[in-house]
Amino acid sequence: AQSVTQLDSHVSVSEGTPVLLRCNYSSSYSPSLFWYVQHPNKGLQLLLKYTSAATLVKGINGFEAEFKKSETSFHLTKPSAHMSDAAEYFCVVSDRRGYQKVTFGTGTKLQVIP
Amino acid sequence: GAVVSQHPSRVICKSGTSVKIECRSLDFQATTMFWYRQFPKQSLMLMATSNEGSKATYEQGVEKDKFLINHASLTLSTLTVTSAHPEDSSFYICSARLDGNYNQPQHFGDGTRLSIL
Repeated sequence: AQSVTQLDSHVSVSEGTPVLLRCNYSSSYSPSLFWYVQHPNKGLQLLLKYTSAATLVKGINGFEAEFKKSETSFHLTKPSAHMSDAAEYFCVVSDRRGYQKVTFGTGTKLQVIP
Repeated sequence: GAVVSQHPSRVICKSGTSVKIECRSLDFQATTMFWYRQFPKQSLMLMATSNEGSKATYEQGVEKDKFLINHASLTLSTLTVTSAHPEDSSFYICSARLDGNYNQPQHFGDGTRLSIL
């Protein structure tokens, strides 16, 4: 079975400092991994995806994530936080055994302090 | 690309009313659409998966007769909450995927805030 763990429910950073949102996954098969962002009362927007190509994935808004199989991790990073980055972030895993379903992490709320 | 439109964005209605929520893929054909429910400060809970032209697959604990899902075309799925009660108040989000491949991302609508008085 696939699963995903977001290690921090809440992360607070100062504007202009780096962002690190942690995600660990479990999958018996080669997984696909996604990061989504959700602003209040909105749906989820895809930030980036990993689908067995390059292990370092660049996404929108300056975010990137690195797939590390040995550590079963897919942490999301950004060099410099912006106020508009304040939102909820979800790590999502999918594999062929799960077929149509994906598994969501519990989410990490990012707070950006001016 | 990959825009999903969900309407209405907010509904307030009396107990006992039935409410229909539409989910449309605007610039692609979605063989698979998903309906989620999100409680405050929580992650998304999958309610059902629908494939165009076939019956929806409901998750355990989700009442089929309560939450009617129709996926009549490759660009439209609807969720009808029948005889809604206050406990059905929630944030409902749909998503659409181009095909059944697990490595394709889901694209989400902006959600519907349902409030039952």
